[in-house]
Amino acid sequence: LAKITQPISMDSYEGQEVNITCSHNNIATNDYITWYQQFPSQGPRFIIQGYKTKVTNEVASLFIPADRKSSTLSLPRVSLSDTAVYYCLVGALNTGNQFYFGTGTSLTVIP
Amino acid sequence: NAGVTQTPKFQVLKTGQSMTLQCAQDMNHNSMYWYRQDPGMGLRLIYYSASEGTTDKGEVPNGYNVSRLNKREFSLRLESAAPSQTSVYFCASSETGQSYEQYFGPGTRLTVT
Repeated sequence: LAKITQPISMDSYEGQEVNITCSHNNIATNDYITWYQQFPSQGPRFIIQGYKTKVTNEVASLFIPADRKSSTLSLPRVSLSDTAVYYCLVGALNTGNQFYFGTGTSLTVIP
Repeated sequence: NAGVTQTPKFQVLKTGQSMTLQCAQDMNHNSMYWYRQDPGMGLRLIYYSASEGTTDKGEVPNGYNVSRLNKREFSLRLESAAPSQTSVYFCASSETGQSYEQYFGPGTRLTVT
């Protein structure tokens, strides 16, 4: 799987919706897409996971187009506590393939 | 319920020294993972254990060995540390190898001089 790329950084005002993209052009048929949040000096924390179309949970939505070569994490109405680094992970360990993290997007929420 | 614990939190080694990073989880998870995180490079998988008794190489296994001691514990050993192994090391676990929700430990910050 080729390198998985994300924008390096993003800024947003409190209360706005934030969309963070991940590019994974060589995604395999069995690969899933997972997003994690990481605060400084902590391990990543799971946000959401999907395979295709749209997935929504209580904190985020994940949009995956039909060709699955990219994905978008959507955070509704961000707050200051959402300031963190966001990583996408692509892969399917159970098939014998490995999985890879993206380069990460540093989100800063501005009051 | 402590989740995933790692010891030590910090370590400084001289080139050529060896050490073992310890990881334990109390969630009865089957799969465990070791990652390293370097500035600007995200997290890279070193080794993983899909289930007790099995281990497999990840993206960057050279210079490391692992042991799945039992279902709870998964250790990472550096036999002869090199400055290129200076990094933050994270252990993680998941319910199964098919579960993409991994739970991460707090990390070990290792410096090799």
